[in-house]
Amino acid sequence: AQTVTQSQPEMSVQEAETVTLSCTYDTSESDYYLFWYKQPPSRQMILVIRQEAYKQQNATENRFSVNFQKAAKSFSLKISDSQLGDAAMYFCAYRTLQGAQKLVFGQGTRLTINP
Amino acid sequence: NAGVTQTPKFQVLKTGQSMTLQCAQDMNHEYMSWYRQDPGMGLRLIHYSVGAGITDQGEVPNGYNVSRSTTEDFPLRLLSAAPSQTSVYFCASNRDRVNTEAFFGQGTRLTVV
Repeated sequence: AQTVTQSQPEMSVQEAETVTLSCTYDTSESDYYLFWYKQPPSRQMILVIRQEAYKQQNATENRFSVNFQKAAKSFSLKISDSQLGDAAMYFCAYRTLQGAQKLVFGQGTRLTINP
Repeated sequence: NAGVTQTPKFQVLKTGQSMTLQCAQDMNHEYMSWYRQDPGMGLRLIHYSVGAGITDQGEVPNGYNVSRSTTEDFPLRLLSAAPSQTSVYFCASNRDRVNTEAFFGQGTRLTVV
């Protein structure tokens, strides 16, 4: 079974600075997807970025980018120019391509932005 | 465009009571699933469905039942609520097996006293 680990329960960063959230995972599969989801106080789960395992190029979405290290099974999220609206819980998630698509989530990292 | 709609948003139950959490999607998605979110544990899969009439168990299915009689609806039933089922519940849907983006409902905060 796949597992996802986020070792940083809480992180904080100054507004306009850069922060990196860590995620590691365990799998024996070669093809899969990885995601970062944002959960603000509203509880809504918002997709931030996704990475296909077969693509070596790291995904980027505006101020959000990932560092995907397949051999090390590491998938970190970098947020540049942090804004107050980035404050939220961030979840790393893994999706298998075998059988029914199911998401396996990490424990989450609470990100605080200091003005 | 409603997306995934969950009702209710909040619910308090007494131990032993039963209830159904409703989930509906208007995107004609094949895949639907239920997760629960507990502090420090992320979201864990309860049950999922790959199409009308087909359901299967996830990681934490005990105490919950589901059915999928239509493509649009995927209700989650608690037959006899227990305090351990106090959690936030999310319903999600995917268009199909290939499309990877999951759309989530707003969640239901359930408290069992």
